[in-house]
Amino acid sequence: AQKITQTQPGMFVQEKEAVTLDCTYDTSDQSYGLFWYKQPSSGEMIFLIYQGSYDEQNATEGRYSLNFQKARKSTNLVISASQLGDSAMYFCAMREGKITGGGNKLTFGTGTQLKVEL
Amino acid sequence: DVKVTQSSRYLVKRTGEKVFLECVQDMDHENMFWYRQDPGLGLRLIYFSYDVKMKEKGDIPEGYSVSREKKERFSLILESASTNQTSMYLCASSFAGLAHEQYFGPGTRLTVT
Repeated sequence: AQKITQTQPGMFVQEKEAVTLDCTYDTSDQSYGLFWYKQPSSGEMIFLIYQGSYDEQNATEGRYSLNFQKARKSTNLVISASQLGDSAMYFCAMREGKITGGGNKLTFGTGTQLKVEL
Repeated sequence: DVKVTQSSRYLVKRTGEKVFLECVQDMDHENMFWYRQDPGLGLRLIYFSYDVKMKEKGDIPEGYSVSREKKERFSLILESASTNQTSMYLCASSFAGLAHEQYFGPGTRLTVT
């Protein structure tokens, strides 16, 4: 069974500093996808960034980047130059390799609440 | 822009009532999902559908059923609402395939009294 672990229930960071949110996963599949979502206090889930298990480069998307360590089964999200608007809950999620049926579902971690301070 | 809409933002129902939560997407996505979100537990998958009339149980299907008669619409049904089903319910949709992200609706905050 797949499992996603986010061990930091809450994090604080000062504005303009970088912050790393941790995520480890457990799967026996060789092919899988890893996602990060942001959920501000308004409640909507916003997709941030994706990493495929066969991608050789770490994914980057603007101020978001992933530190993907396949052997350690971790995919940490790095937010550079934090802004007040980055304050939100962040979820890591994984999708297994099958394309149809059960392969389309995501398993989510329990999230990390990030607070950006002045 | 992909749009996933849910029929209500807030809903209050009584124990034992039958509850329908509706979700509509406008991007011709094959997959649709229903999650519930509770503090400290993250998002847990209730049911999902990968095609019209096709459904699969997620991690916590007990007490719920679903219906997908049209590609764009996915309904979550609580046959007899109970207080432990008080939660935030999130609908999502996506294309099939490993790399496709899920797009989420705004959520329905359901309170069962």
